[in-house]
Amino acid sequence: GAVVSQHPSRVICKSGTSVKIECRSLDFQATTMFWYRQFPKKSLMLMATSNEGSKATYEQGVEKDKFLINHASLTLSTLTVTSAHPEDSSFYICSASNRVIGEAFFGQGTRLTVV
Amino acid sequence: AQTVTQSQPEMSVQEAETVTLSCTYDTSENNYYLFWYKQPPSRQMILVIRQEAYKQQNATENRFSVNFQKAAKSFSLKISDSQLGDTAMYFCAFMKPLANSNSGYALNFGKGTSLLVTP
Repeated sequence: GAVVSQHPSRVICKSGTSVKIECRSLDFQATTMFWYRQFPKKSLMLMATSNEGSKATYEQGVEKDKFLINHASLTLSTLTVTSAHPEDSSFYICSASNRVIGEAFFGQGTRLTVV
Repeated sequence: AQTVTQSQPEMSVQEAETVTLSCTYDTSENNYYLFWYKQPPSRQMILVIRQEAYKQQNATENRFSVNFQKAAKSFSLKISDSQLGDTAMYFCAFMKPLANSNSGYALNFGKGTSLLVTP
């Protein structure tokens, strides 16, 4: 299957700082990327869907100004957690797809810990 | 909006036995995809099986097969000859092209079923 690389896999940051997570599709053009947040032993909560060249569509309850999503190219999307707080600590996962593939491929996830 | 329902939060099966995980979904669309993903303790999402809605034949991948009932909007996963390595969270997912986009998709997940395979 196609490869999606998410970086970093783990990050610890101080409260009030910003953290950027990258999601790259390595061998296909990802016209659509999804960002999820997952709490322990819970399902994936969709945060936003981004289509290349367009603004991300955020799910209800997700703060656009706090979770900045950029999908400027067909192989890269970034999620920036701004002014992070301990409650933002979580596991974040990206996935990428396009209509030709008709399938979503997932990154390895990022464990964010805000101290 | 599309919803995906997995009614079994936890299941257990003995090694070598067969287990079926249920999934129902709600949509008015005719063209869509259905998936089962596995998430082991590593938390990497792994695609188990994929089904296009226009295909009547149930998808099969080795020990994994689905029972796709389009009219009933049901998409259950059967795991045959269960192995210890099958222990994981299993998520049912629904994906459809966005109507107002040339390239976009919507992808929704169920809440997951935690499967434990015991010796």
